[in-house]
Parts: sequence; structure tokens; C-alpha cells
Amino acid sequence: AQSVTQLDSQVPVFEEAPVELRCNYSSSVSVYLFWYVQYPNQGLQLLLKYLSGSTLVESINGFEAEFNKSQTSFHLRKPSVHISDTAEYFCAGYSSGAGSYQLTFGKGTKLSVIP
Amino acid sequence: GAVVSQHPSRVICKSGTSVKIECRSLDFQATTMFWYRQFPKQSLMLMATSNEGSKATYEQGVEKDKFLINHASLTLSTLTVTSAHPEDSSFYICSAAGTDIYEQYFGPGTRLTVT
Repeated sequence: AQSVTQLDSQVPVFEEAPVELRCNYSSSVSVYLFWYVQYPNQGLQLLLKYLSGSTLVESINGFEAEFNKSQTSFHLRKPSVHISDTAEYFCAGYSSGAGSYQLTFGKGTKLSVIP
Repeated sequence: GAVVSQHPSRVICKSGTSVKIECRSLDFQATTMFWYRQFPKQSLMLMATSNEGSKATYEQGVEKDKFLINHASLTLSTLTVTSAHPEDSSFYICSAAGTDIYEQYFGPGTRLTVT
């Protein structure tokens, strides 16, 4: 079964510093992977996704994630964070090829940007 | 982009009453809709998957008689929490997928408080 692990529950970082939010997945088949962002009392917004092709995917607001099959990782990075990036970030993935469309979420990482 | 709405955004009800939450896809036809539940400071847990015109598929441990799901059209799914109890208080989030089952678009969520 597909599982998604986010190793850090909270990540504090100073404004304009770089950040990496870690995500590892387990699966014996190919995967589709996503990063979602959730602001307080709101739903989830898709940040970026990996379906196939280039292993480096980018979002419009400066985040990027790299699909690494050998390390079974899909870490999210941003070279310089802003106060407005303070939110909860969820990594999620599917197992394809098993007839299952269940999207499995990690437990989330709360990013706090310190002024 | 695809937009999914939920109504109401917040609801407070008394124990023993029923509450209906609506999930609408505003600019696309949602073949499949999903209902999630999120407890404070936790990740999203899939409750059920519904396809238009057919019965919902519930995840293990979710009571289908308590959480009634109706997906009567390609743009609307409803979740009714019957005989609500304080332990049903939670953040309920729906998502919708169109022709690409792997791309889910999330609603803003509904905060249910049962007193």
C-alpha cells in the first residue's frame, strides 16, 4: 500500500532563508505525487505535482520539488521564504496501477516563517 | 482553474440533529467526488468516494448510515451527518475530480461544531 511520510511536523525558518520540507513515499509501483498548502481554516490548494516526465517540478510562487525514485523522496524546497508562506504543507500520493484512486496524505508540516 | 465550493463554511448544531454539507464543482463536471475529515492538527482522512449516480464507497471504519452521501449530479455531492454528536465535530473537506481521476480539486472546507 502507498504511504506518505513527512518527517518534520514543524519547521521554523527566518524570512528570506531557504527551506526544505521533506516527504518520502513507499510504493512498489509508479506514483503520482503532490504538494498541497493549507492556510488556517481553509481547504487545500494544489502547490505542485509530479505525474511523469521531468523530475523537477515548479510552482508559480517559487517552490520546487524533485521526484527522486532511488531515494523515494519528493522534497519541497524554496530558496527564499516570505512571511506569506507560513502555512501547513501536505505531501500526498497515489499508487497507480493497482486500481486504487485513493489519495494518501502525509501528516503535514507546519512552516512558520519568522520575521 | 477548477473551482470547488462548499456550503456552509461553518455550522453549529445541537447533539442529535442532522447537518447537510454541500460540495459543488463550479466550472467542470465532477465524475468523482471525495469526502475527507480533518481533525485538529492532523492530516486529511478519506471518508468516502462517490461517483455520480451510484452509491458511495466508504472507507473502513466510516459508518455509512451516519454519514450519508449523495452524488445526484455531476456538479453536486452532499454529505449529511445524521444524529450528530460532539465527537463528529471536525473540519470536513470535499474534493472533486473530472476526467482525470488523479487530479483532485479541493473545496474550502466546512467546520462542524456539535454542541
